[in-house]
Amino acid sequence: EVVMTQSPATLSVSPGERASLSCRASQSVRSNLAWYQQKPGQAPRLLIHGASTRATGIPARFSGSGSGTEFTLTISSLQSEDFAIYYCQQNSNWPLTFGGGTKVEIK
Amino acid sequence: QVQLVESGGGVVQPGRSLRLSCAVSGFTFSNNAMHWVRQAPGKGLEWVAIISYDGDTDHYAESVKGRFTISRDNSKNTLSLQMSSLRAEDTAVYYCARDNSQNVFDMWGQGTMVTVSS
Repeated sequence: EVVMTQSPATLSVSPGERASLSCRASQSVRSNLAWYQQKPGQAPRLLIHGASTRATGIPARFSGSGSGTEFTLTISSLQSEDFAIYYCQQNSNWPLTFGGGTKVEIK
Repeated sequence: QVQLVESGGGVVQPGRSLRLSCAVSGFTFSNNAMHWVRQAPGKGLEWVAIISYDGDTDHYAESVKGRFTISRDNSKNTLSLQMSSLRAEDTAVYYCARDNSQNVFDMWGQGTMVTVSS
């Protein structure tokens, strides 16, 4: 099983600042990496797939990068609606696995 | 618009069974593989099962293999998850999710809560 590790567990950021979230895979997943956003009481929402392709309707301030085992989700200028938990997911190997999440909170 | 609506959750005793459903609208259901993903209270996401677009192929997480069965009825635009021999650790919100053809979950339902407790 591919283990996905996200860091940090919690990221405190002021509105308007840049946030960088990390996701590491225990083995190469090539570019088969997706990012999701989840707000309290809501279902997750797909942000990024293929490591760097924004999903439909996702603002340009969200960007993804990386390949192999190291990936980053960057939010260029945090808006109030961006404070949430972010999960990465590998879609390279079975079983499909998620990271433990990074909570982005208001500083 | 695309909608996925889960139902069937509730409180069930350990060892008993429960069947979840997901009613789909707003897209051609028979074109997409579908998944169940769960989230224990206060925890992260765990993939549970996938079924192919035509229902011919399925795949399960080890934690549910042999106990859960995923199925679909393309004539009724419905996805199901039959859960048996339920355990306390199966307690979670269960989401149905659409596959974007690359094992990525591009649309999600709102979830249904399953609580396994005596």
